[in-house]
Amino acid sequence: ETGVTQTPRHLVMGMTNKKSLKCEQHLGHNAMYWYKQSAKKPLELMFVYSLEERVENNSVPSRFSPECPNSSHLFLHLHTLQPEDSALYLCASSQDSGTGGGYSNQPQHFGDGTRLSIL
Amino acid sequence: LAKTTQPISMDSYEGQEVNITCSHNNIATNDYITWYQQFPSQGPRFIIQGYKTKVTNEVASLFIPADRKSSTLSLPRVSLSDTAVYYCLVGDIYTGGFKTIFGAGTRLFVKA
Repeated sequence: ETGVTQTPRHLVMGMTNKKSLKCEQHLGHNAMYWYKQSAKKPLELMFVYSLEERVENNSVPSRFSPECPNSSHLFLHLHTLQPEDSALYLCASSQDSGTGGGYSNQPQHFGDGTRLSIL
Repeated sequence: LAKTTQPISMDSYEGQEVNITCSHNNIATNDYITWYQQFPSQGPRFIIQGYKTKVTNEVASLFIPADRKSSTLSLPRVSLSDTAVYYCLVGDIYTGGFKTIFGAGTRLFVKA
C-alpha cells in the first residue's frame, strides 16, 4: 500500500473512445504528477500540479487533458488516442515545501499505474 | 537539469552486497540525490535520498563523495526479491522544464 491509488488498473479502449484515469492520494501531499512509461523507455513526466495549480507541458498532445479538483485527486482525461499512447500511466504525489522549487527534492510516492491499451 | 548515467544492468547472487553507481557531473548546489526501485507493473518506490556523505536506512546505504559528482547505492545481502530496476534521480524537475527525469535505470538480476 503506497498511499496512492489508481483506477482502473487496466484499460482497453478504441481510438475514438473517451475515458478517464483516476488517481487519489491519502498522504496529505500537495503536489501530484502524471507519468507515462512505455516499453523500454524511461518514465516521461507529463503533468505536474502543485498546490492545485497546473504547470503546462507543451510537449504533451492535447488528447491528454489533466484535471486536479483538489489536492487529493487527479484525473487524466483521454480522447481520440493513438496506438502509440499504449503504456503504463503512473500517478505520483509529494509534499511541496513551499520554497519555490523545493518540492522537487521531496520523494515522490507512486501508484501502481493504469495499463492502457489502445486498439 | 542534471543528467545521470548508470549501468544498464548488473547481475548478482543472493547474499552478496550490490553497489550501483550513478554519475551526475553537473549536479547543482541545491540538488538532492534520490534512488527509486521499480518492479514490473508497479510504480517506482522510494529507497533513499541524500545530499552529501553517507545516508543509511533499513534497506540501503547511499554514499556521496565530497564533489557530489557521483553516488553509490549499496544494497546489503541481496535476495531474489531485490531483482528490479533501480533509478537514480538528481535535481529539480520543475526548474528544468518538462524533460525526462528518470533515466533508463539499472536492471539488477539476483540469482540463486
